[in-house]
Amino acid sequence: DTAVSQTPKYLVTQMGNDKSIKCEQNLGHDTMYWYKQDSKKFLKIMFSYNNKELIINETVPNRFSPKSPDKAHLNLHINSLELGDSAVYFCASSHTGVASPLHFGNGTRLTVT
Amino acid sequence: QKEVEQNSGPLSVPEGAIASLNCTYSDRGSQSFFWYRQYSGKSPELIMFIYSNGDKEDGRFTAQLNKASQYVSLLIRDSQPSDSATYLCAPSGGSQGNLIFGKGTKLSVKP
Repeated sequence: DTAVSQTPKYLVTQMGNDKSIKCEQNLGHDTMYWYKQDSKKFLKIMFSYNNKELIINETVPNRFSPKSPDKAHLNLHINSLELGDSAVYFCASSHTGVASPLHFGNGTRLTVT
Repeated sequence: QKEVEQNSGPLSVPEGAIASLNCTYSDRGSQSFFWYRQYSGKSPELIMFIYSNGDKEDGRFTAQLNKASQYVSLLIRDSQPSDSATYLCAPSGGSQGNLIFGKGTKLSVKP
């Protein structure tokens, strides 16, 4: 199936741990994104990569480090997790350009205890 | 700071009625406008997009855009209980193509 897939779906971990979320798309898109949706359901962009190049880096703690090994993959590594990092993280992809809609993965619900 | 404003609701309409969802945005440079639907616990899914001033219809959905007023809306005709979800307005946020999302309007369609 053509899709944006991210793993894991759920992630429960303790404060201070390091964790990674993986994302892959087979839609042939050249731009990928990480969005964070907090408890108030506000969906906010964190990072965007175009053809493996970082093009958007919003005000995000440097404990968050994205990596794009190729244009079909975008991973998110989080160091020293904090309670406030608990949220749903969505990966998305699109063609380049302002007229292109985003296609979202199913999300990773991160709970930090 | 680019902002997108939506009434958070909940907006409650009876089955069969027209649901009207509104959105205003601050970035005059936004060129594309998208409406996403998000069911509880699910990811956002695209339902409509509009680029030009005026109306665009797709089935029971009509998107309306007025760039001069920086206003975009979504009308859902013959609302069904299955339309109950949060609707996110998302203008394009820049040349990179990222979307800036509003906080969403929660719609509840009562049988």
